[in-house]
Amino acid sequence: DADVTQTPRNRITKTGKRIMLECSQTKGHDRMYWYRQDPGLGLRLIYYSFDVKDINKGEISDGYSVSRQAQAKFSLSLESAIPNQTALYFCATSDSTGSYGYTFGSGTRLTVV
Amino acid sequence: TQLLEQSPQFLSIQEGENLTVYCNSSSVFSSLQWYRQEPGEGPVLLVTVVTGGEVKKLKRLTFQFGDARKDSSLHITAAQTGDTGLYLCAGFGGSNYKLTFGKGTLLTVNP
Repeated sequence: DADVTQTPRNRITKTGKRIMLECSQTKGHDRMYWYRQDPGLGLRLIYYSFDVKDINKGEISDGYSVSRQAQAKFSLSLESAIPNQTALYFCATSDSTGSYGYTFGSGTRLTVV
Repeated sequence: TQLLEQSPQFLSIQEGENLTVYCNSSSVFSSLQWYRQEPGEGPVLLVTVVTGGEVKKLKRLTFQFGDARKDSSLHITAAQTGDTGLYLCAGFGGSNYKLTFGKGTLLTVNP
């Protein structure tokens, strides 16, 4: 099994719908992150969590919310999806220092029509 | 805001050629990481450099961290088609101790 598992891998949804992307990890890491990747814009941080009770906004949190259900689970929700949220979404984890590398999931390709 | 500029943005070369990609910033980072991302997958960590001036080698890949810890380079010797992918640099540091990613260099190695 992968260290970081994201579901679903692909999703097409309609404008205005609520959608949840899920992430689970078996690394035992405290820190978890949600990024989106767009061509030409690189990886941008949406939300991050340093432990179950510590959740923080990243640089592009508007339109998104998160829930840290357990150390191993961190989900991202789009409350009312819009077309410019079409992107590749990645979950990542790191140890408590964060300085020796992140482990990424395989991503969710989300299309909002 | 800490920014990382990667160059070139795109690079297409023939198998066997050498190449260097660059990662530059005006900010100092406590460490710098390089990742490679293949289509349909998440980035995978290649190396972390921590000390200014540090050089690390990973087979045909050589990574260097600038003396002032503001820039880094990745040199690939005798590129192979399997080296094709998006190379991302990421700096670690700042008040929130998170990674800041560059936009990447998309490398295509042609047979």
